[in-house]
Amino acid sequence: ELKVEQNPLFLSMQEGKNYTIYCNYSTTSDRLYWYRQDPGKSLESLFVLLSNGAVKQEGRLMASLDTKARLSTLHITAAVHDLSATYFCAVVLRGTSYGKLTFGQGTILTVHP
Amino acid sequence: DGGITQSPKYLFRKEGQNVTLSCEQNLNHDAMYWYRQDPGQGLRLIYYSQIVNDFQKGDIAEGYSVSREKKESFPLTVTSAQKNPTAFYLCASSIGGWGNQPQHFGDGTRLSIL
Repeated sequence: ELKVEQNPLFLSMQEGKNYTIYCNYSTTSDRLYWYRQDPGKSLESLFVLLSNGAVKQEGRLMASLDTKARLSTLHITAAVHDLSATYFCAVVLRGTSYGKLTFGQGTILTVHP
Repeated sequence: DGGITQSPKYLFRKEGQNVTLSCEQNLNHDAMYWYRQDPGQGLRLIYYSQIVNDFQKGDIAEGYSVSREKKESFPLTVTSAQKNPTAFYLCASSIGGWGNQPQHFGDGTRLSIL
């Protein structure tokens, strides 16, 4: 059974600081996704990571994937209030059906002045 | 604009009642999915469909049913057998392929018991 664990689950940051969210998964996968969810809203796709060593950046967010360590990181640089949201990673188990995602619990990020 | 439309936004269910949540997409995506989200938790897969007239159970299919008669539509019925239906339900779709493209999500339906 594929398990996906994020940490921390709650993250309170000051504006301007850097921090990293970690996503560990239990079995082999080479496809990992990061999503953002605002309170009461739907999920917005942030990054798709498809191979070992993949790194993608968008604005103040950078995601990476290490398939050997079964670990992905989401790094936040110089946080701003607009980044406050819940962030999910999701993994597709290698060899399973077509796009079947297993989600982590989510990390609730709050950025304050 | 292309997207996924879920309706209604809020839904209330009485004891013993079946209710149906609508999901329509105009993205021309082959695959569609239904997820359930409980407070403070990640999403769990209920059902998914790779093509028209075909669907598969996800991790928590008991008490739910689906149909996929048209490419654009993937309605979810919450039956009376689902004893704890209160949750946020999200529908998603993706382009054909082995999950190399992200799933796109609708705005969700919040279901509560009366």
